[in-house]
Amino acid sequence: GQQVMQIPQYQHVQEGEDFTTYCNSSTTLSNIQWYKQRPGGHPVFLIQLVKSGEVKKQKRLTFQFGEAKKNSSLHITATQTTDVGTYFCAGEVAGANSKLTFGKGITLSVRP
Amino acid sequence: NAGVMQNPRHLVRRRGQEARLRCSPMKGHSHVYWYRQLPEEGLKFMVYLQKENIIDESGMPKERFSAEFPKEGPSILRIQQVVRGDSAAYFCASSREVTGELFFGEGSRLTVL
Repeated sequence: GQQVMQIPQYQHVQEGEDFTTYCNSSTTLSNIQWYKQRPGGHPVFLIQLVKSGEVKKQKRLTFQFGEAKKNSSLHITATQTTDVGTYFCAGEVAGANSKLTFGKGITLSVRP
Repeated sequence: NAGVMQNPRHLVRRRGQEARLRCSPMKGHSHVYWYRQLPEEGLKFMVYLQKENIIDESGMPKERFSAEFPKEGPSILRIQQVVRGDSAAYFCASSREVTGELFFGEGSRLTVL
C-alpha cells in the first residue's frame, strides 16, 4: 500500500537556527498536506500543496511540493520555541476515496 | 462555529468491556474520518464516512471495531471486548469537501486496564 515516510523522527535545534524536513511518498500524490501537533494536543492543518513544484510561504515556514509530486519539504527560518511540536505530512492519492495517509511525523525541539 | 467535538476526552475500560467514542463534525461538514495514534507514532487511518455511509474502512480491524455516522447525531466509533493493545488516542476529523483540509477534534484517549 501507499507509504509516506518522514525521516528522522526527532530533531533538536538551537533557537534561531534554520530547520528543514522532508516527506517522501512511494506513489505519486494528487496533493500533500502538512499538520502540526503540539505535545498533548491535536493535529492542526498548516498547508495544502496541489501543483507540481508549488511553493507556499507562511511567515517563517516555507513548503514545497516536488516536481514529480512524490515528495515535499518544510523549511523553518530562524526557529523559535513556539515552533516546538510534531510536524506531519499527509499525502492523498487520486481516486483513493480521499484517504489521507500520514507519515510518522518529525518531532522538533528547540533549545532556547 | 464550534470545532470538531469529541467525547469522552478520556475513557478507561477493563479488558472485555466496550468503548464507545463520539464525534460531532464541524457544522456544514459531511465527511468524517477516524484516526488512531499510538505514542510517538503517526496517525493511522481507520475509516472514512459520510452521512449514513461507510466510504472506506480499509484501516479498521475486521473484528471488534465498527463505525457509523447516522443521519442524525454524531459519528460513533465502537470497540467491543477491548484489549490492552486498543489503548491509544483516537482522533476524529471532518472536512467540508472531499479533498479539503481536515479539522481534527481534541481526541479521545482510551486506556484499557
